[in-house]
Amino acid sequence: DVKVTQSSRYLVKRTGEKVFLECVQDMDHENMFWYRQDPGLGLRLIYFSYDVKMKEKGDIPEGYSVSREKKERFSLILESASTNQTSMYLCASSFPPTYEQYFGPGTRLTVT
Amino acid sequence: GESVGLHLPTLSVQEGDNSIINCAYSNSASDYFIWYKQESGKGPQFIIDIRSNMDKRQGQRVTVLLNKTVKHLSLQIAATQPGDSAVYFCAEKGGGGSNYKLTFGKGTLLTVNP
Repeated sequence: DVKVTQSSRYLVKRTGEKVFLECVQDMDHENMFWYRQDPGLGLRLIYFSYDVKMKEKGDIPEGYSVSREKKERFSLILESASTNQTSMYLCASSFPPTYEQYFGPGTRLTVT
Repeated sequence: GESVGLHLPTLSVQEGDNSIINCAYSNSASDYFIWYKQESGKGPQFIIDIRSNMDKRQGQRVTVLLNKTVKHLSLQIAATQPGDSAVYFCAEKGGGGSNYKLTFGKGTLLTVNP
């Protein structure tokens, strides 16, 4: 079974803090994704990585950066957290040439 | 009127009934479609997928129908059970073999009444 794990299920941070969200997959997948999920808005892609050290902006990259130093790990960084980044963050991975994405359980981030 | 994006479409069915969840997609060049189920407190899970060269695909208790003429996708769940209660998302992949990104719909909340 593919396993995608995220470092925290719940996180509370203060405005202006630097926040790291970690994601690890154990199936040697090339592609990894970070989404945020807000009520009624579905999943919106923040960043995508198709290989180590390679990244591509998604639909809403502003205020976020990412790091992929190892194939199995993809980190999402909020350089200076703001209240409008309070959301559920989902990590996913996939294995080309298939398109199915496997999701982690999510991290619910609250910025106060 | 209702603000787009703030209210999740809902479907309420009785246990044992069949459910049909609909999805309209926007990109006529999309060549792959997938349905996910998300239970409360969990990440989305794969249900079934379909490529654009098909118009129907069946799984265990689920069927996906694709109508490319009107850009419409539906998920049919037979004999719906309480464990089927969840939010269901459709997703599409734009045409082009090197693009692995999926675009997700806003989701439909399915509630199954015992």
